[in-house]
Order: sequence, then C-alpha cells, then structure tokens
Amino acid sequence: GQQVMQIPQYQHVQEGEDFTTYCNSSTTLSNIQWYKQRPGGHPVFLIQLVKSGEVKKQKRLTFQFGEAKKNSSLHITATQTTDVGTYFCAGGNAGGTSYGKLTFGQGTILTVHP
Amino acid sequence: DAGVTQSPTHLIKTRGQQVTLRCSPKSGHDTVSWYQQALGQGPQFIFQYYEEEERQRGNFPDRFSGHQFPNYSSELNVNALLLGDSALYLCASSHRGLASETQYFGPGTRLLVL
Repeated sequence: GQQVMQIPQYQHVQEGEDFTTYCNSSTTLSNIQWYKQRPGGHPVFLIQLVKSGEVKKQKRLTFQFGEAKKNSSLHITATQTTDVGTYFCAGGNAGGTSYGKLTFGQGTILTVHP
Repeated sequence: DAGVTQSPTHLIKTRGQQVTLRCSPKSGHDTVSWYQQALGQGPQFIFQYYEEEERQRGNFPDRFSGHQFPNYSSELNVNALLLGDSALYLCASSHRGLASETQYFGPGTRLLVL
C-alpha cells in the first residue's frame, strides 16, 4: 500500500532559525495536505497542494509540491516559539475509490528554544 | 459555525469491553473519516462514511465498525478491546462534492484500555 515518509523525526532550533521538513510518497499523489498538531491537541489543517511544482506561501511558511507529485516540503523562515508542534504531511488520492483516504507521514516534531 | 465535535473527550475501558465514540461533522460536510493516532505516530485511516455507507476501509480488523446517520453524524465502535487500542481517535469531516479532499479534524477522543 501507499507509504508516506517524513524526515526529520525531530528538529530543535533556536528562535529565529529556519526549519524544513520533507515528505516522500511511495506513489504519485493527487494532492498533499499539511497539518500542525500542538502538544495535546489535534491536527489542524494548514494547506493543500494539488498541482505539480506548486508553491504556496502563508506568511513565514512556504509549501512545495514536487514535479512528480511524490514529494513535498514545508519551510518555516525565522521560527518563533509559537511554531512549536508536530507537522504532518498527508497524501491524498482524490477520485476513484480512494477519495478522502489520507495517508499521513510520521510527522516532524519541532521545538524552538527562545 | 460549529466545527467538528467529538464525544467523549476521554474514556477508560478494560480489555474485552466495547466502546462507542461519536462525531458530529462540520456544518455543510457530508463525509466522515475516522483515524487512530497512537502516541508519537501519525494518524492511521480506519474507515470513511458517506451516504450512510462505509466507502473505504484501512487496515483495521472487523472489531472496528461504524455507522453514519442521516444527519451525517457518525459513530465508531470497537469490540473486544485490546491494550493496543489505546490511542487518540480522531474524526475528520469533509464535503465529498468538492474536488478538494481537505479534511477538518475534531479534538479527538483519548481512549485508554487497561
């Protein structure tokens, strides 16, 4: 079955440093979604990427979807303590019989030291 | 506009017991997916309900079953509980008519099996 791998598992940064997490799927995806989960919380939707090579920005966050639609990355510029949490990518295969089934990566736990 | 709601928030059961978890989707959503999130892991897809039928199923045994009601709310039932069923159970809702598969997660039910 489809697998989604995410690296690194942990990332510790000083406040103000940049952070990047990478996501790779074993199969071509129709879309990829990113979620943030704070400690003790639930996944909160950040963004969805659909097009090959797509790049989207949300303030300090930049999301990319690979040309082959099998990999993605999330980059945070100048991290802040409010960025602390676990970032998950989730691959989707819209259409056909696989609608709505998201395959999540293991997540990257980000800690930010003030 | 209420988001996804789940009940109960926490639950403690013993091995062999049965449990029912409940979910109300976000207003305007007609599809409910259930995920299991073990500690330190990404959410794992259990199954999805649309039009009161199970449409997709992940790699979970038949002890896991569900139901969707005409008002789109859903239940997750787990029979013959095992210690390994201890996890955060997440409900996510979406609107199937949209090409996007964006799913919105509820706060989850934390199940502890002793």
